[in-house]
Amino acid sequence: KQEVTQIPAALSVPEGENLVLNCSFTDSAIYNLQWFRQDPGKGLTSLLLIQSSQREQTSGRLNASLDKSSGRSTLYIAASQPGDSATYLCAVFSGNQFYFGTGTSLTVIP
Amino acid sequence: DVKVTQSSRYLVKRTGEKVFLECVQDMDHENMFWYRQDPGLGLRLIYFSYDVKMKEKGDIPEGYSVSREKKERFSLILESASTNQTSMYLCASSPLLGLKVNEQFFGPGTRLTVL
Repeated sequence: KQEVTQIPAALSVPEGENLVLNCSFTDSAIYNLQWFRQDPGKGLTSLLLIQSSQREQTSGRLNASLDKSSGRSTLYIAASQPGDSATYLCAVFSGNQFYFGTGTSLTVIP
Repeated sequence: DVKVTQSSRYLVKRTGEKVFLECVQDMDHENMFWYRQDPGLGLRLIYFSYDVKMKEKGDIPEGYSVSREKKERFSLILESASTNQTSMYLCASSPLLGLKVNEQFFGPGTRLTVL
């Protein structure tokens, strides 16, 4: 069964710092990987989707990369801002199912 | 703009009550999902539906049932609410599962408290 892991569980950085969030998965046979943002008490907002044939996707200050063979994805956030504080989750779509990590809680300190 | 809506943001119910959580999507998606999210446990799939009147059990279906009478609407039913069902409930939808690329869209969530 596919397992998705996100380390660290929590991260605290000063404003303006560039940072990387990690996502790993055990079965490389995925169709796509999706990164979400979740604010406290809210639903999940889709940030980026990377298809299995792609290496990266970019949206504004966010860049997500995918290395399917090693079972890893990273979400790079440039010039972090206090408004980036949230929990970030990754999910893979494989075998007709979605599998989620437990998320990384990010705090950006002004 | 794609949209998944849930009938309530917050609900407080008493033990033993029958509880209905409603979810509506306007993207003409075939698939709809109900998850619960608890601290330290992440998202856990309760039920999903891949077509009208079709349903499949997820990882934790006990104590729950679902109904999908129309394509855009997926309801989660707690037949007799218990305190261990206090949680955040998230609804999602996605296009046809047979596609090679699939993306989920989530609603805002319902925070249910059972007293």
